[in-house]
Amino acid sequence: DAGVIQSPRHEVTEMGQEVTLRCKPISGHDYLFWYRQTMMRGLELLIYFNNNVPIDDSGMPEDRFSAKMPNASFSTLKIQPSEPRDSAVYFCASSARQAGGYTFGSGTRLTVV
Amino acid sequence: AQKVTQAQTEISVVEKEDVTLDCVYETRDTTYYLFWYKQPPSGELVFLIRRNSFDEQNEISGRYSWNFQKSTSSFNFTITASQVVDSAVYFCALSEHSGGYQKVTFGIGRKLQVIP
Repeated sequence: DAGVIQSPRHEVTEMGQEVTLRCKPISGHDYLFWYRQTMMRGLELLIYFNNNVPIDDSGMPEDRFSAKMPNASFSTLKIQPSEPRDSAVYFCASSARQAGGYTFGSGTRLTVV
Repeated sequence: AQKVTQAQTEISVVEKEDVTLDCVYETRDTTYYLFWYKQPPSGELVFLIRRNSFDEQNEISGRYSWNFQKSTSSFNFTITASQVVDSAVYFCALSEHSGGYQKVTFGIGRKLQVIP
């Protein structure tokens, strides 16, 4: 099993640009989570899906953030337009159970300049 | 509301010393789950353990052990005979039933440095 696969590993973009982060969960996992990690706020849950349906997006900081899961093997997190304060490591995780333990991807380090 | 509290200060130990990482949680639920994750310098998050609120038995896995005490709302993690490879940030997390779904909240993480 290849684990949770995220791309890209690193992204540097200019303020105002659109950024798309991608995630492929582990096959058979019904739950997919997007987390953001910063020094100031630690790990924050942005949104999670169950069977491709968004369940809780209360952690999405602003309308500039959107997430989709068109099928069981792919999800995207999009930021449009990006701002420097969006700079963080974004993790995708998947789980066969709602109550963890999650398998995390390697993360995408986003830098907005 | 749920809350997971970990000490924020970095901890340094010399190799082969034992070290305990504390975790205190708050929840109103009677059914909940607790977790520990490890984040080594490479950045990935590694799941270590999941424990449900009805299972207060301590668990040992190699050099790792966990002490769950509901009476003090604590779920502490001990590394015995620490090694340099244990250097990482360790996160405690709580999963609580919220609005019909389980929501996991992570603590701030505690950085452990094992010095050779």
